[in-house]
Amino acid sequence: NAGVTQTPKFRVLKTGQSMTLLCAQDMNHEYMYWYRQDPGMGLRLIHYSVGEGTTAKGEVPDGYNVSRLKKQNFLLGLESAAPSQTSVYFCASSPLLAGGGFTDTQYFGPGTRLTVL
Amino acid sequence: QQQVKQSPQSLIVQKGGISIINCAYENTAFDYFPWYQQFPGKGPALLIAIRPDVSEKKEGRFTISFNKSAKQFSLHIMDSQPGDSATYFCAASMEYGNKLVFGAGTILRVKS
Repeated sequence: NAGVTQTPKFRVLKTGQSMTLLCAQDMNHEYMYWYRQDPGMGLRLIHYSVGEGTTAKGEVPDGYNVSRLKKQNFLLGLESAAPSQTSVYFCASSPLLAGGGFTDTQYFGPGTRLTVL
Repeated sequence: QQQVKQSPQSLIVQKGGISIINCAYENTAFDYFPWYQQFPGKGPALLIAIRPDVSEKKEGRFTISFNKSAKQFSLHIMDSQPGDSATYFCAASMEYGNKLVFGAGTILRVKS
């Protein structure tokens, strides 16, 4: 079991460029999340998904789009990168507990360090 | 404005000592309070979590104390070890684990 994997590990973009971050999980989890981590601000939720084909906005969604076409994958897109999007991006997944409606531990990937010049 | 306020920002503790990290929240709808541990270059990992129907939860050397009336909760690490040196995040959720709101983090260093 690889758990949660993220591709790429590092990336440098120029302002205005676009890119897609890929998250994959092999634990058959229903829920998936994208966070950004900035110094002194903890982790902030960008978007999340409660199942294949569904997505929803989190705390800081502006400038990002997501898609979950397959249950095991969650993609984060930056259409026109800005220096304010320089950050470390983490993907996470969590299972749907028996009884429905609730989830539990979030399992995080190793992160992608993105720099926008 | 952070919904979950965490303190201190950094903490240095001697080996064998007690590490204490505090968090406060305003939203009384939060019903799940986990702590995550993060080592450099890694993603966060769940350490311990509590729901507001109990005032304390202990797992090995790690204890969460929860004060519902004060809207505060804290992490105590007993007999702190150099291997505990990491960044610790408190978090809260209204949907039992979904949509976590994180504190700013505490960098813990345990000196040997």
